[in-house]
Amino acid sequence: SQKIEQNSEALNIQEGKTATLTCNYTNYSPAYLQWYRQDPGRGPVFLLLIRENEKEKRKERLKVTFDTTLKQSLFHITASQPADSATYLCALVMDSSYKLIFGSGTRLLVRP
Amino acid sequence: GAGVSQSPSNKVTEKGKDVELRCDPISGHTALYWYRQSLGQGLEFLIYFQGNSAPDKSGLPSDRFSAERTGGSVSTLTIQRTQQEDSAVYLCASSFGSNSYEQYFGPGTRLTVT
Repeated sequence: SQKIEQNSEALNIQEGKTATLTCNYTNYSPAYLQWYRQDPGRGPVFLLLIRENEKEKRKERLKVTFDTTLKQSLFHITASQPADSATYLCALVMDSSYKLIFGSGTRLLVRP
Repeated sequence: GAGVSQSPSNKVTEKGKDVELRCDPISGHTALYWYRQSLGQGLEFLIYFQGNSAPDKSGLPSDRFSAERTGGSVSTLTIQRTQQEDSAVYLCASSFGSNSYEQYFGPGTRLTVT
């Protein structure tokens, strides 16, 4: 069966450390993978998109990797801050499709 | 500029009643999406509108759910004869077009069916 897995347990880290979140998928062949941030009571906010032929993408303190062999994406936040505390969702986009297929998200808590 | 807006922000209804949820997308965005998010779950795709094309309704969970998009702008999601399992946050998103994969989300409507 098809599934997208993100760690359901919250990730709790100290301010200044690097947060690493994982997105694994099974029986999908996405052309793109996206990461979104969601705060309580708010809609998701787009962060980064990475294509299947890209290994790594960076934006300021954010870095995303995409390994189509392992069927895994890693999302890194360097020099984390308490303001980075939120739920982070990965989403797959199939080739020639417009639907986002979301994982259930991982909650990140950054302690001051 | 203004983002995606949704109304109402919260809706409590009795089982069996009909509800209408509204979405105002970002001006100029031709694509509009509805998703449902249950507690602790990821977003579940419901329906997609792109311009004047026929909508993709493949994600609607039952025939009690329907949606319209008037004039290529505002959209209404209607749930008839609501059931308790319909309780969730309903999120609307828009994008520049089907080739633009970045979606802009509204704050959602929290629906509670008692």
